[in-house]
Amino acid sequence: DAKTTQPPSMDCAEGRAANLPCNHSTISGNEYVYWYRQIHSQGPQYIIHGLKNNETNEMASLIITEDRKSSTLILPHATLRDTAVYYCIASPINSNYQLIWGAGTKLIIKP
Amino acid sequence: KAGVTQTPRYLIKTRGQQVTLSCSPISGHRSVSWYQQTPGQGLQFLFEYFSETQRNKGNFPGRFSGRQFSNSRSEMNVSTLELGDSALYLCASSSQGAPTEAFFGQGTRLTVV
Repeated sequence: DAKTTQPPSMDCAEGRAANLPCNHSTISGNEYVYWYRQIHSQGPQYIIHGLKNNETNEMASLIITEDRKSSTLILPHATLRDTAVYYCIASPINSNYQLIWGAGTKLIIKP
Repeated sequence: KAGVTQTPRYLIKTRGQQVTLSCSPISGHRSVSWYQQTPGQGLQFLFEYFSETQRNKGNFPGRFSGRQFSNSRSEMNVSTLELGDSALYLCASSSQGAPTEAFFGQGTRLTVV
């Protein structure tokens, strides 16, 4: 699985868009980019995933660069409840859960 | 629909003892994966079971074992506990094992003293 690099921490004002970057320069053609988040004292929660195209769902948007070497998770209107550790993972979609988790980005939403 | 249930939520054990943790997946899900989370190593994959068969295993010593029952409930066992086994143990369930449909439990916090 490709290694991903994320900033250790970020702040964002409540109500603003939170943009979380992820570098995955060694990603291979069959690897998707997944984003999960883990709110304190809870298990991780799946957010979104993508291969090449930008994706959007009710939680977030995922922007993947054309060369697929980096991506950005966008939370359009961050709330205090979005304070969490966000993990970016590159893995084949049929990896049967052998996901390689990095340290993630601790996102703090400030009032 | 009920979520993934892990029991117990908290556990304190002594070095050398063994421990069994339980995970009840979402109804209809056949895949259960286990992870260990520590401040130093982060989230690390332990193993995954699908329809009572272990499909994948991470790089953990043989003291860590698991099994899955016909109702998809899974147990994880750690024998001869060491201080370094203190961690949050998480299980995730899904229907087929794909990362996009993972639902995690709240975890079992194991403290070894």
